[in-house]
Amino acid sequence: NAGVMQNPRHLVRRRGQEARLRCSPMKGHSHVYWYRQLPEEGLKFMVYLQKENIIDESGMPKERFSAEFPKEGPSILRIQQVVRGDSAAYFCASSLRIAGAQETQYFGPGTRLLVL
Amino acid sequence: AQSVTQLGSHVSVSEGALVLLRCNYSSSVPPYLFWYVQYPNQGLQLLLKYTTGATLVKGINGFEAEFKKSETSFHLTKPSAHMSDAAEYFCAVTSNTNAGKSTFGDGTTLTVKP
Repeated sequence: NAGVMQNPRHLVRRRGQEARLRCSPMKGHSHVYWYRQLPEEGLKFMVYLQKENIIDESGMPKERFSAEFPKEGPSILRIQQVVRGDSAAYFCASSLRIAGAQETQYFGPGTRLLVL
Repeated sequence: AQSVTQLGSHVSVSEGALVLLRCNYSSSVPPYLFWYVQYPNQGLQLLLKYTTGATLVKGINGFEAEFKKSETSFHLTKPSAHMSDAAEYFCAVTSNTNAGKSTFGDGTTLTVKP
């Protein structure tokens, strides 16, 4: 039973390029969460999605960042025109139902983005 | 609103010594509290969680944590540290009104000396 999969594990981009981060949730999970971890900091919530719906994007920067979770395929976090400040580890988590008391979020290994 | 404060960004203990990692939270509604461990270049692994009921929660690898509402704390302990416990530990809080959105502390790096 595979866990949460993220790819690529490492991504290097030059300023101004686009970064696409993929997340495949655990089998049967329909809730996906994206977090960003800056160096020496904890994880910061970005967005919560269900299939074909963005439920909460209150942690997403207003510009350049977007996320989707299509009916088929992985969830995608897209960063356009990357800047050096986007360098971070991006983690995806999934849960069977909405995460809270009864549901645990299972985390992927993360994608480490480096912007040159 | 909810927040988490982890006191001490770095904790160092000797092998066999008590591990104590501190976590204080703030939440306007009943909280659900979590401890995660992160090894280098890996994702987060759940150690334990408090939802309701017994305030002393036992987790994996011999860790436990006690929810103290009066102190708004959820400190993580382990009686005897192993070298393999060296990692970064994160405390997190969520609630029914913030379901899906966990708030994490900044983490505590645990070093275990031989």
